[in-house]
Amino acid sequence: AQKITQTQPGMFVQEKEAVTLDCTYDTSDQSYGLFWYKQPSSGEMIFLIYQGSYDEQNATEGRYSLNFQKARKSANLVISASQLGDSAMYFCAMREGAGNQFYFGTGTSLTVIP
Amino acid sequence: DTGVSQNPRHKITKRGQNVTFRCDPISEHNRLYWYRQTLGQGPEFLTYFQNEAQLEKSRLLSDRFSAERPKGSFSTLEIQRTEQGDSAMYLCASSSSDRGITSSYEQYFGPGTRLTVT
Repeated sequence: AQKITQTQPGMFVQEKEAVTLDCTYDTSDQSYGLFWYKQPSSGEMIFLIYQGSYDEQNATEGRYSLNFQKARKSANLVISASQLGDSAMYFCAMREGAGNQFYFGTGTSLTVIP
Repeated sequence: DTGVSQNPRHKITKRGQNVTFRCDPISEHNRLYWYRQTLGQGPEFLTYFQNEAQLEKSRLLSDRFSAERPKGSFSTLEIQRTEQGDSAMYLCASSSSDRGITSSYEQYFGPGTRLTVT
């Protein structure tokens, strides 16, 4: 089974609107971390936001927030007030326990329309 | 700049040749990772170092692949007898196990080396 599933290959959003990128995960560990990365066309992976499995509050970083629903095993990324520079690939990733391997999803391509 | 750097950024080689890539992690990071990313996919884990010790290797890392981190600083990834299927972006990332620096252990990625095998 896939550890991380991103079901939206591509998404479009109007500039200044909010958009939600979906991510579901699969793990039997009680302790894990969830991450979102942005990959522009230049190729570099940029860390956006982190949610620990024991964190009771949803993580927020500026315009990024993570909608963490533990029972549903989902960790959706919400980008508010989209900007043209947000157009990129977005990857959800998970680290299980104290492990060192990150599992990445297949990504969602976001296009912000002016 | 104190980010992760990788060299070269692009490499074109003929099938059967050997190639070597270098990664310089963030200086205070003791953990270093190599990933491979093919078109339309997320990064796939290849191997992990803590200091100079290679602690994990993926099944994706065939015997043609070897990675080293001799002094616990920079790392090299060598591919011997390259095949067309090796064409991909090779990403290096680093992180710190010191909880005083970060509690999330997020990995910081370099710009990658794009390998094309003809």
